[in-house]
Amino acid sequence: DAKTTQPNSMESNEEEPVHLPCNHSTISGTDYIHWYRQLPSQGPEYVIHGLTSNVNNRMASLAIAEDRKSSTLILHRATLRDAAVYYCILRDVTRDDKIIFGKGTRLHILP
Amino acid sequence: GAVVSQHPSRVICKSGTSVKIECRSLDFQATTMFWYRQFPKQSLMLMATSNEGSKATYEQGVEKDKFLINHASLTLSTLTVTSAHPEDSSFYICSARQVNSGANVLTFGAGSRLTVL
Repeated sequence: DAKTTQPNSMESNEEEPVHLPCNHSTISGTDYIHWYRQLPSQGPEYVIHGLTSNVNNRMASLAIAEDRKSSTLILHRATLRDAAVYYCILRDVTRDDKIIFGKGTRLHILP
Repeated sequence: GAVVSQHPSRVICKSGTSVKIECRSLDFQATTMFWYRQFPKQSLMLMATSNEGSKATYEQGVEKDKFLINHASLTLSTLTVTSAHPEDSSFYICSARQVNSGANVLTFGAGSRLTVL
């Protein structure tokens, strides 16, 4: 399975944008890029996903490099409630449905 | 949106007893559910894939006789930790995908924290 690489942790100030990077140099053509986050003591929640084009939703934006070997999750205005572990995951549902989690990036928000 | 409910959210039991955790998809049907385990400060580890009407598929290293999974309906999967021991204390999380969901997004439950004394 294609792997992703993320920084272990990042810090950001409250009310500032946050850019969370993810490298996936072995991504295949049928892999979707998914982002989930896990708040303390909760189950993960879906954030956003994309294939080739950049994507926006109410939670975040996803910027995908032209060669698809990397992507960036963008939180436009971080709040204290965005402090969580963010997971970048590749999914090819033609192979199987399951999600294998890496270590993710622990995001700390400074007030 | 899709909601997955887990029950109980917390359970404390004595060593040697069995504990059942339920995972329900509240407003959608799920032919497949997934069970994860998470130890403190670690990532989620996939334990098994629960398939409605058939046997679960366990990941390598997960004891199927220890962690019994039943997926009797399209909205309910259960995980039973048999003869629990302190090393089974963990955060157990289930997830489900809505049938025919174009986005193929998994919805996760809030988790069940098991403490074995």
